[in-house]
Order: sequence, then structure tokens, then C-alpha cells
Amino acid sequence: KQEVTQIPAALSVPEGENLVLNCSFTDSAIYNLQWFRQDPGKGLTSLLLIQSSQREQTSGRLNASLDKSSGRSTLYIAASQPGDSATYLCAVRQDSNYQLIWGAGTKLIIKP
Amino acid sequence: NAGVMQNPRHLVRRRGQEARLRCSPMKGHSHVYWYRQLPEEGLKFMVYLQKENIIDESGMPKERFSAEFPKEGPSILRIQQVVRGDSAAYFCASSPGPLDEQYFGPGTRLTVT
Repeated sequence: KQEVTQIPAALSVPEGENLVLNCSFTDSAIYNLQWFRQDPGKGLTSLLLIQSSQREQTSGRLNASLDKSSGRSTLYIAASQPGDSATYLCAVRQDSNYQLIWGAGTKLIIKP
Repeated sequence: NAGVMQNPRHLVRRRGQEARLRCSPMKGHSHVYWYRQLPEEGLKFMVYLQKENIIDESGMPKERFSAEFPKEGPSILRIQQVVRGDSAAYFCASSPGPLDEQYFGPGTRLTVT
């Protein structure tokens, strides 16, 4: 049974720092992995989707990497800004399966 | 092309009442998924539907919960005789096909008093 873990559960850093959020999964037979952002009381914003055949995806200041064999993905945020404060969720889709399996998220606070 | 729409955005029900949550998928999408997010937790899969068919309801509580996706109109998630533990955010997603990317709606936040 696939399990997705995100560490740390919360992170607070000063503005301007580069930071890394971690996501690990127990079953490497994944179809893809997706990173989302969730603002308090709001919906989900898809940030990056990495197919199982890819190693990384980039969008602006965000870079997501995937290492299937070790069951890990990282989300790198460059030059963090207060507006990046949110909860970041990682979700994994298994091969030939439609369900997304979610981590509990990392709550990120960027201090001005 | 409008995104996935959910309504209401916020719903307050007293214990024992019924809650009906609606989801209109994106145009051209015939696959709908419901997820539930309990406070301070990640999302959990509930049910997967195609038009007029429930494909997988393995994540749905066995009692009080039901879902439908009729030929015409939105998908409905129905919770009968709500209890405090049903308080959560309910997210709907849609996709054109079962292995395509899922696009999420803004969610419905249910509060049971």
C-alpha cells in the first residue's frame, strides 16, 4: 500500500532564502507525482507534475525533482517571498491507477 | 473554458441534517473524483465516477454517504444524518480520461454544528 510522507510538517524561513521541501513514497511503481499549493481556507493550485519517466520539472522559481528508485521528490523554491507562504502538498499516482495518494503537507511560512 | 465548479463553497449543517455537495466538471471531462480533507490532514480519495456509473467507491464510508453523476447535471456527493466528524473540506476533481491529469475545484467546506 502506497504511503506518502512529507517532512517537515512545518517550516519557517526568512524572506530571500532558498529552501527545499521533501516528499517520500513507499512504492516506486508510480505513474506521476504532483506538487500542489494550498492557501488557508482555499482550494488547490497545481504547481508541477512530473511523469515517472522525468527527473525534474521547472516553473519560474520552482523546481521539482523525482527519484523513483529512492522514493523521493523534492520541491526547491528559490529566493523565497512572503507570498510563497502556504501549505505544499505532494500527491502520487500509482501505475494504471486513477487515485491520487496524498501527503499531509508542509506548512511554509516566509518571514518578511 | 471554465474550471471545475463546486457549490456551495461553504455549508453549515446541524447534526442529523443532510448535506448535498455539487460538482460540475470541466467541459469535455466525463470522469469525476471526490476527495475529503480532514483538518490538518492530506486529502483522501472517496469515490470515482463516470457519467451514470460509480467506478470505485472504496474510499467512501459505508453508511450515510452516497455519490452520483447523472447523465445531465452535476455530480452530487450526499451525506445523510451528518455528524461532527463529517466536518471537512470536500474537493472534486475532473479529467477527460482515467489516467489524465485531474483538475481540482475550489472545494466545499462543510461545518457540522
